[in-house]
Amino acid sequence: AQSVSQHNHHVILSEAASLELGCNYSYGGTVNLFWYVQYPGQHLQLLLKYFSGDPLVKGIKGFEAEFIKSKFSFNLRKPSVQWSDTAEYFCAVRPNRDDKIIFGKGTRLHILP
Amino acid sequence: DAGITQSPRHKVTETGTPVTLRCHQTENHRYMYWYRQDPGHGLRLIHYSYGVKDTDKGEVSDGYSVSRSKTEDFLLTLESATSSQTSVYFCAISDRDRGDEQYFGPGTRLTVT
Repeated sequence: AQSVSQHNHHVILSEAASLELGCNYSYGGTVNLFWYVQYPGQHLQLLLKYFSGDPLVKGIKGFEAEFIKSKFSFNLRKPSVQWSDTAEYFCAVRPNRDDKIIFGKGTRLHILP
Repeated sequence: DAGITQSPRHKVTETGTPVTLRCHQTENHRYMYWYRQDPGHGLRLIHYSYGVKDTDKGEVSDGYSVSRSKTEDFLLTLESATSSQTSVYFCAISDRDRGDEQYFGPGTRLTVT
């Protein structure tokens, strides 16, 4: 079955630390890839997406992600986190031949001021 | 934010009663989705629609039904609510011709006592 794995369930960092959140998916065909963020008490919002082209994509608020096809990975990075980045982050995949989008279970990020 | 509203935003109901949640969009997006969000499970797809009167099941569809009689409205019905259906329910919309990312509604917090 198709699945999306987020390796870290809960991450705690201090402000200015670098961030990398892992995401792997199991699907052999072409996929569209997404990272969403959910701030406390709010709905999910798109951070960035990748469909094709340059495997390094930049999103909002200084986030970026790298697609590595051979590893079926789409890891999210930020060089220097801020307290306001405290949120839950979801990786999502839509296989091109499917209408459904598969979400990972999420990673809770807590930034210490 | 995309024009998506959900009603009601909060509801408390008793076990065994029917409940209908409404999702309304003003964006004319083709796809509409219903998810539930529970701690430790991330987002799980209940049902989705790929057009008026066209719907399909997600991974946790048991106990839920949906209807889409107009492009803008997608209804989720719990035929006979159970305590295991206590959750936060999110509606989302997307359109492959307009970026393919999902836009989420504000959510409905449902408590079944």
